[in-house]
Amino acid sequence: ETGVTQTPRHLVMGMTNKKSLKCEQHLGHNAMYWYKQSAKKPLELMFVYNFKEQTENNSVPSRFSPECPNSSHLFLHLHTLQPEDSALYLCASSQGVGASYEQYFGPGTRLTVT
Amino acid sequence: DAKTTQPNSMESNEEEPVHLPCNHSTISGTDYIHWYRQLPSQGPEYVIHGLTSNVNNRMASLAIAEDRKSSTLILHRATLRDAAVYYCILRGLNYGGATNKLIFGTGTLLAVQP
Repeated sequence: ETGVTQTPRHLVMGMTNKKSLKCEQHLGHNAMYWYKQSAKKPLELMFVYNFKEQTENNSVPSRFSPECPNSSHLFLHLHTLQPEDSALYLCASSQGVGASYEQYFGPGTRLTVT
Repeated sequence: DAKTTQPNSMESNEEEPVHLPCNHSTISGTDYIHWYRQLPSQGPEYVIHGLTSNVNNRMASLAIAEDRKSSTLILHRATLRDAAVYYCILRGLNYGGATNKLIFGTGTLLAVQP
């Protein structure tokens, strides 16, 4: 499945590093999402972008900074993370944000903060 | 709060049908019923969704009770590849706010025996 791609697939970073996660969707969708999945916890929505505009920030700490330059690309900039931020970060996209639209997920970036 | 109730786990035999139940007694008239699944070490995958009528697609069928307070995801012939966590999610303004966000619960872990 190559509709939504994420890079890198794995990332190890120190607490003082700055890194970025990239997501690209090839489906012509207008909405994009960042989710976090920690071990043994349900997926948590972090951010929603619709037509490049951020429409939802789910009380995410400022050390996570999203960027959506166009409807096909979404970035998550990371800085001064904590070990508890280690998780699987998933990107998704959908045609719209209405309740009838399904979301398509990327494979995720496995992040380890040391 | 995902507002749905699913069994924690189920088992099936390969090539047999599987019926995954979901209760959603607080559903409102405009809420869609979405099903996603997550295979080990992968991002979630959209399966099917519906509003009132039963739905069929290449992956599964969705049977929705007449009062809409429960639904059943049907896999017609289980394969080993269908072993995953299956999430039943209500999507609508009552749960997801203006962006109708998906709120994942803990889902049903389906094991498929050869």
